[in-house]
Amino acid sequence: GDSVTQMEGPVTLSEEAFLTINCTYTATGYPSLFWYVQYPGEGLQLLLKATKADDKGSNKGFEATYRKETTSFHLEKGSVQVSDSAVYFCALYRSGAQKLVFGQGTRLTINP
Amino acid sequence: EAEVAQSPRYKITEKSQAVAFWCDPISGHATLYWYRQILGQGPELLVQFQDESVVDDSQLPKDRFSAERLKGVDSTLKIQPAELGDSAMYLCASSLGGLDEQFFGPGTRLTVL
Repeated sequence: GDSVTQMEGPVTLSEEAFLTINCTYTATGYPSLFWYVQYPGEGLQLLLKATKADDKGSNKGFEATYRKETTSFHLEKGSVQVSDSAVYFCALYRSGAQKLVFGQGTRLTINP
Repeated sequence: EAEVAQSPRYKITEKSQAVAFWCDPISGHATLYWYRQILGQGPELLVQFQDESVVDDSQLPKDRFSAERLKGVDSTLKIQPAELGDSAMYLCASSLGGLDEQFFGPGTRLTVL
C-alpha cells in the first residue's frame, strides 16, 4: 500500500542554519505530494505541494522538489527562524485512493 | 478567515464510557474528514464524507466508532465504549473535494483513563 517515510526526529538547529527534512514515498502511479506543518496547540496547515514530477513547491522560504526517480520530496529552508519550530508532516495523495497518507512527522526545534 | 471548528478541545473519560466529538467545517466544503493522530505518529484517516454520504470508512473500528453528517454540514464522531488505546488527537478537516486543500481544525485531545 501507499506509505510515506520521514527522517527521524527530533531535529534541533540554531537560528539561521540550513534545514533539510527527508521524505520518501511508496505509491503506485503518480501521487501528489505535500508538506504540512503543525504549530503547538494548532491543527495542521498546508505548507507547500507539488502535483507532478520535477515540480517545486515553495512557501515562506521553504522548498521541496518532487523527484520521481528517487521517490523523494525533501523539505529545505536556507535560514531557519525560531518561529519555524513545529512538527512537519510529509504526505501523499493518490487520486485512485482519494485520501491523504501521512508520514510520522518530524519535530523541529530552532534555538536562538 | 473561515476555519474548521471542533469541540471539545480536550476530553478526559474513563474506559467503557461514551464520548462524542463535534466538527463544523468551512461553509461550502462538501468533503469532511475525521483523522486520528496517535502521539508521535501522523494522522490516519478514519472516515470521509461527501455531503452526507460516507465515501471511505475502511479504517473506522465500526464495533465502537460511529460517525454521522446528517445534513451534510456539521459532523459528530462517537466512541462507545472508549478503550485505553483510543487516547489520541482526533482531527477534523474539510475541503472542496479531490486534490483541493484540506483545512484542519485544532483537534480534540482524548485521554482515556
